[in-house]
Amino acid sequence: AQKVTQAQTEISVVEKEDVTLDCVYETRDTTYYLFWYKQPPSGELVFLIRRNSFDEQNEISGRYSWNFQKSTSSFNFTITASQVVDSAVYFCALRYWGDFNKFYFGSGTKLNVKP
Amino acid sequence: ETGVTQTPRHLVMGMTNKKSLKCEQHLGHNAMYWYKQSAKKPLELMFVYNFKEQTENNSVPSRFSPECPNSSHLFLHLHTLQPEDSALYLCASSQDQVELLFNNEQFFGPGTRLTVL
Repeated sequence: AQKVTQAQTEISVVEKEDVTLDCVYETRDTTYYLFWYKQPPSGELVFLIRRNSFDEQNEISGRYSWNFQKSTSSFNFTITASQVVDSAVYFCALRYWGDFNKFYFGSGTKLNVKP
Repeated sequence: ETGVTQTPRHLVMGMTNKKSLKCEQHLGHNAMYWYKQSAKKPLELMFVYNFKEQTENNSVPSRFSPECPNSSHLFLHLHTLQPEDSALYLCASSQDQVELLFNNEQFFGPGTRLTVL
């Protein structure tokens, strides 16, 4: 069973619009970590944020914000006032106690920000 | 050099060739990973090494052979590949892989774009 689901395959927005990328995860462990990565056209995945399962506080970093809700097993990512440079594929990932050797990645959401 | 480097960045090979991909991390990490990224597919974990020991082999065909001579270097030896093996191969490293210390993120290299003719 897929452990991380990113239902949005591709999203297109116009610059300055806000956009939310969804991530739903599945694990029975109570100890786990969630991550978001950005993959620009150059190919290299860039780490954006890590959140542990015991910390449900939402986080804001500049135009980026993350909403972690254990009740719905979701860890959504919002970009406010999107810019063309935000165009990339974004991946959500899960790592949990019972299988800590692995990172489970979602299939990614391709974000196109048009000028 | 900083971070995670991979060479070559692009590789074209025939099905009968033998080639190797190289990954080097300059971060002092103890765990290294190989991933395969095909078009329109999720990232596929291939191998995990922790302190030079292989801890995961995710049912990868034997035509892919990893080698980890030390914690800073990781190789992926390729032989008799198939066209469907064409993909972006990503290397990553992380600091942990020890129980109770699995919170750290992975750092990725730029990848090797492999084309098998």
